[in-house]
Amino acid sequence: AQSVTQLDSHVSVSEGTPVLLRCNYSSSYSPSLFWYVQHPNKGLQLLLKYTSAATLVKGINGFEAEFKKSETSFHLTKPSAHMSDAAEYFCVVREPNFGNEKLTFGTGTRLTIIP
Amino acid sequence: SAVISQKPSRDICQRGTSLTIQCQVDSQVTMMFWYRQQPGQSLTLIATANQGSEATYESGFVIDKFPISRPNLTFSTLTVSNMSPEDSSIYLCSQKGGGENRDRSSYEQYFGPGTRLTVT
Repeated sequence: AQSVTQLDSHVSVSEGTPVLLRCNYSSSYSPSLFWYVQHPNKGLQLLLKYTSAATLVKGINGFEAEFKKSETSFHLTKPSAHMSDAAEYFCVVREPNFGNEKLTFGTGTRLTIIP
Repeated sequence: SAVISQKPSRDICQRGTSLTIQCQVDSQVTMMFWYRQQPGQSLTLIATANQGSEATYESGFVIDKFPISRPNLTFSTLTVSNMSPEDSSIYLCSQKGGGENRDRSSYEQYFGPGTRLTVT
């Protein structure tokens, strides 16, 4: 069975400083991993995805994530936070079974940017 | 990417009534999905809606409470039946990204804007 754990429910950083949102996963197979962002009163937007190609994945808005199989981690980073990054971030896992398209969501990390 | 719309965007309903949420996607897809996001919580999959067959429900969700229709490859509805305040949530539909010929392991899902339901 697949599962994902977001280690921090809330992260606060100052504008211009680095962002680190942590995610660990559990999967019986080599999973696909995703990060989604949800701005207040908005829908979910795909930030980036890992699908067994390069382990360092670049996404939109300057975000990137590194897949580390030995640590079962997929942490999300950004070198310099911007006020517009304030949102809820979800780490998501999917096992690559044909016909099973189920996404399992983490509990989310709320990112606050301090001016 | 994908363009997904949902109607209504929000509603306030009385307990005991039912609400049907519509989801329209801009490309033909075999699978559509319905999720629930309870206040302050993450997303939970309700069911997978396949065109031409019965929806597949996740544990804890039943067809009598959440009947789903999938009349064609671009449209689906979710009904929340006999509502109670515990049904107050955001309901989101999604579709699988990419095309049928893409590597299936790379499939992401694209989400609609959600329907914010409040039951009083």
